[in-house]
Amino acid sequence: EVQLVESGGGLVQPGGSLRLSCAASGFTFTFFAMSWVRQAPGRGLEWVSTVSTSDGNTYYADSVKGRFTISKDNSKNTLYLQMNSLRAEDTAVYYCAKELVATIWGDAFDAWGQGTMVTVSS
Amino acid sequence: DIQMTQSPSSLSASVGDRVTITCRASQGIGNNLAWYQQKPGTVPKLLIYGASTLQSGVPSRFSGSGSGTDFTLTISGLQPEDVATYYCQKYNSAPRTFGQGTRVEIK
Repeated sequence: EVQLVESGGGLVQPGGSLRLSCAASGFTFTFFAMSWVRQAPGRGLEWVSTVSTSDGNTYYADSVKGRFTISKDNSKNTLYLQMNSLRAEDTAVYYCAKELVATIWGDAFDAWGQGTMVTVSS
Repeated sequence: DIQMTQSPSSLSASVGDRVTITCRASQGIGNNLAWYQQKPGTVPKLLIYGASTLQSGVPSRFSGSGSGTDFTLTISGLQPEDVATYYCQKYNSAPRTFGQGTRVEIK
C-alpha cells in the first residue's frame, strides 16, 4: 500500500523558513517523480513544485520560484520542500503527491499524503 | 501559461440526477487532463486521467470526455457520497494548473 506522510509544518513568522518532509513507502520511490500541492484555508488546490526522476529536474509555480526548493532523497525515500522568505500568502496545507506512472514526470497524481499545515503569521 | 476554467463553480442536484462539470483550457492540452474529488475534510482523490480513463476503484457512474481545450466530468446518477468539490488539472507541463473547483451539493 502506498503511503505518503508529511511532516515539518507549523507556525512561522513572515520572512522565516521551514523544511517540509514527505516519507514515502509502498512503491519504488526512485522511479517516480514527486510533487507538492498546497491548499490555502477555504481555497482550491495549487500546484507548487515537481521534481523529476532520473534527471532531477525541478519545476516551480511562479508564486514560489526563487523561495522554495524541492528535493528528493531516494536513499531515504523522502521528498523535501525547503521554504524560505515565507509570506502570509504561503499559509496553506501542503500535500505531497505521487505521479501515476513511473516516468520522468508529467502524469496525474494518484496518491496524496494527509497534508501538513503551514501558518505564516506574526 | 495555460489557464484552466471550470464551470459552474457550484451546483445543487437531486439524488439520481445526471451532473455535468466543464473544464476549459486556454490552449490545447491534448488529453492530459485529470479530475480529482475532494470530500470535505479529506485529501484529494484521483478519479479520471487521460481525460477519460477511470482510475481503479472509482465507481462507473463517473466518466470523463473531451480533448484539446474542452473537457467534461459527468456523474450519471448522483449519490449522497458524491458531495464534494471536483477539480480538473492539466498535468503534462509546468505549471500543472488546477481549475478553481466545482462544489457539488445535494438538493
